[in-house]
Amino acid sequence: DQQVKQNSPSLSVQEGRISILNCDYTNSMFDYFLWYKKYPAEGPTFLISISSIKDKNEDGRFTVFLNKSAKHLSLHIVPSQPGDSAVYFCAASAGGNAGNNRKLIWGLGTSLGVNP
Amino acid sequence: KAGVTQTPRYLIKTRGQQVTLSCSPISGHRSVSWYQQTPGQGLQFLFEYFSETQRNKGNFPGRFSGRQFSNSRSEMNVSTLELGDSALYLCASRRRSQETQYFGPGTRLLVL
Repeated sequence: DQQVKQNSPSLSVQEGRISILNCDYTNSMFDYFLWYKKYPAEGPTFLISISSIKDKNEDGRFTVFLNKSAKHLSLHIVPSQPGDSAVYFCAASAGGNAGNNRKLIWGLGTSLGVNP
Repeated sequence: KAGVTQTPRYLIKTRGQQVTLSCSPISGHRSVSWYQQTPGQGLQFLFEYFSETQRNKGNFPGRFSGRQFSNSRSEMNVSTLELGDSALYLCASRRRSQETQYFGPGTRLLVL
């Protein structure tokens, strides 16, 4: 059973426009969420995270929004650049003390293509 | 600060063989996790080690095992390789008190 779902396998956006990547989760105990970016043949790179006590976190061109009632989070990239073309993974964790005995649950990823 | 390193980067084995992959975490990171990535399956969690002890385990058969050394370096072993074990194996490290994991470049394993 997929507890973290990224329902769009792929997304195509024009350079300069906004990219919105979505992630839904089913476990209401999740209290920390992360987004990673992955290029082919490389390991995932951490992008941005958000705690469940917040509903928004911003870092440069990247903003993550969390809607706890809908169990939904989204990653906004503005403006999108061709170098943003990669697979984006959403991950969530729950339980235990922060960082201890906690396991990240991953979505299957969304492949973003930014067209020049 | 150096990132997570994994060796080897590429490996070709045949069915029935065994393989050992190595991971050196970021300095100061004592927690190491291993993941398997295959097309269409995302990142599947294998196990996590901290202070030389396995702390978490995913749903993989006993052919997949690991260990961690006193310097936090970790190894993963897969015995009796099957074709379906062909995948990218990723190692990630983190500080125990933090959520964010930092990944190595992965080892691409091909089983023929």
